[in-house]
Amino acid sequence: DIQMTQSPSSLSASVGDRVTITCRASQTIDNCLNWYQQKPGKAPQLLIYGASTLHSGVPSTFSGSGSGTEYTLTISSLQPEDFATYFCQQSYNGATFGQGTKVEIK
Amino acid sequence: QVHLQESGPGLVRPSETLSLVCSVSGYSISSGYYWTWVRQSPGKGLEWLGTINHIGTTYYNPPLKSRVTVSVDTAKNQFSLNMNSVTAEDTAVYYCARVVAVAGSFVDYWGQGALVSVSS
Repeated sequence: DIQMTQSPSSLSASVGDRVTITCRASQTIDNCLNWYQQKPGKAPQLLIYGASTLHSGVPSTFSGSGSGTEYTLTISSLQPEDFATYFCQQSYNGATFGQGTKVEIK
Repeated sequence: QVHLQESGPGLVRPSETLSLVCSVSGYSISSGYYWTWVRQSPGKGLEWLGTINHIGTTYYNPPLKSRVTVSVDTAKNQFSLNMNSVTAEDTAVYYCARVVAVAGSFVDYWGQGALVSVSS
């Protein structure tokens, strides 16, 4: 099965900062990579699918990029409501999730 | 607006079968898409369990395939999860969700989640 390694596991940042989270797959996944945001006590919410397509209603401060085995989620200017945990997920073969990146207030 | 709601026992005894139902409103399962179960625990993170489409074709996570069954009832607009021989490691929040098969696939709607504890 395909393993997803996400980094960092946590980070501290301030409002307005640019934040980058990386996800590495154990094999090529052909851009079948999604990003989700999860807040405490809530279900994950889709941000980006197909590595770089912004889901409807998601602010343009979020963007995704990458190819092959390496993918990146970027938040260009962190907003107060963006403090949450972020997960990547591959859908190339079944579905596996990264272990998450918790974005905390600095 | 599509809404999914999990229901079922919050406590299951070890070695017994965990059963959950997902009731879907705002969309008819028989119209398409795929329907899936995902669980989340502190130890294992988010873990895909199994997926079904409106005609009953199923896909399972290989490590769990022998214990998991997903079924669909289009008349009731529900789909279900059964997991047998549970242990404490199956304690988790269980989510049902809708899957869109585009660019691979992704989940666009999630249920609120149901906490299931396995304990005697």
